[in-house]
Amino acid sequence: SQQGEEDPQALSIQEGENATMNCSYKTSINNLQWYRQNSGRGLVHLILIRSNEREKHSGRLRVTLDTSKKSSSLLITASRAADTASYFCATAGATNKLIFGTGTLLAVQP
Amino acid sequence: GAVVSQHPSRVICKSGTSVKIECRSLDFQATTMFWYRQFPKQSLMLMATSNEGSKATYEQGVEKDKFLINHASLTLSTLTVTSAHPEDSSFYICSASAGNYEQYFGPGTRLTVT
Repeated sequence: SQQGEEDPQALSIQEGENATMNCSYKTSINNLQWYRQNSGRGLVHLILIRSNEREKHSGRLRVTLDTSKKSSSLLITASRAADTASYFCATAGATNKLIFGTGTLLAVQP
Repeated sequence: GAVVSQHPSRVICKSGTSVKIECRSLDFQATTMFWYRQFPKQSLMLMATSNEGSKATYEQGVEKDKFLINHASLTLSTLTVTSAHPEDSSFYICSASAGNYEQYFGPGTRLTVT
């Protein structure tokens, strides 16, 4: 399966700062989802944005979607040490299969 | 929220043996289950999609005779890694879907083949 690209691959910030991760994909989508994964653990679903939506908020998370550029961004505001994890975008087409991006490793320093 | 379990969470086996991993949806009926593999510091790669009562659909490059998938009920799917080799060592994750766009992920199984 073709994967989406995420950048940066790794991001290190101080507690309280904002973290922005970007995701680009190649095919048309039905929706795009963001997940978090702590080291060696399963995935936690963060947010889903549909192809006809441009922006979505959930708590400290803000996701944007630009289907013309085939890209999405995840913004985490006022980061905490507990936000340290890997973050993946995943796109879903008509078949409900998820194609995951390459991931961003976020480290939030206390 | 929907809960998906996997068993075992960790398994170590000898080269040449087979290992079975179970994926269960605990509080909903999963019409579709997905199996992913994740190598260290890499992303999840979809291996196969299984629908209850029918044969699994494998992604390109995944050997169906090596990775046997059974989805015998709406709450259970199993992945059997046959004749495992060290290169099969990986983190295997399942997800379950009730037919909408939500997938609920299990906690993963760490397989180490010695």
